[in-house]
Amino acid sequence: AQTVTQSQPEMSVQEAETVTLSCTYDTSENNYYLFWYKQPPSRQMILVIRQEAYKQQNATENRFSVNFQKAAKSFSLKISDSQLGDTAMYFCAFMERGSQGNLIFGKGTKLSVKP
Amino acid sequence: DAMVIQNPRYQVTQFGKPVTLSCSQTLNHNVMYWYQQKSSQAPKLLFHYYDKDFNNEADTPDNFQSRRPNTSFCFLDIRSPGLGDAAMYLCATSRDRGRGDWETQYFGPGTRLLVL
Repeated sequence: AQTVTQSQPEMSVQEAETVTLSCTYDTSENNYYLFWYKQPPSRQMILVIRQEAYKQQNATENRFSVNFQKAAKSFSLKISDSQLGDTAMYFCAFMERGSQGNLIFGKGTKLSVKP
Repeated sequence: DAMVIQNPRYQVTQFGKPVTLSCSQTLNHNVMYWYQQKSSQAPKLLFHYYDKDFNNEADTPDNFQSRRPNTSFCFLDIRSPGLGDAAMYLCATSRDRGRGDWETQYFGPGTRLLVL
């Protein structure tokens, strides 16, 4: 069975600084997707960024980028120029390419951006 | 704005008293999901609907049922809630496979269930 591990329950960063959130996963599959979802306090979860395992190039979305290391089964999220609005719970998630939407989540990292 | 709506946001029920949580969507997505998220834990998929085709996860307790009367609405029924069922329940939607961006799930704000 696939598992997703986020080893940092809580992190903090100063506004405008850079922070990296860690995620590792375990799977025997070769084709899959990886995601970072953001859940702000009392608001719905939204997709931050996604990576397809067959693509070697790391995904980037504005200030958010990932470091995808397939052999190491590692998928970290880097947030550059952190903003107060980045304060949220961040979940790393895995999905097999052959499934219809069975997202397997990590336990999350609570990120606080301090002014 | 197209969105996923969950009502109510907070639900209090008594031990053993049936409760229904509601989800609606204006995205016209084929697939709808229900997740359970207990405190400090990862969200866990309970089941999903692919159109009217119901797909139950193997370890979802029989106490949990779902109905999808039409594309827009999906309900989660808990027949006899126990104290261990207190959690946040998240509804999500996605396009079906073969359509662009089918991998992305769109979440509602969740319903927090308290069992007394």
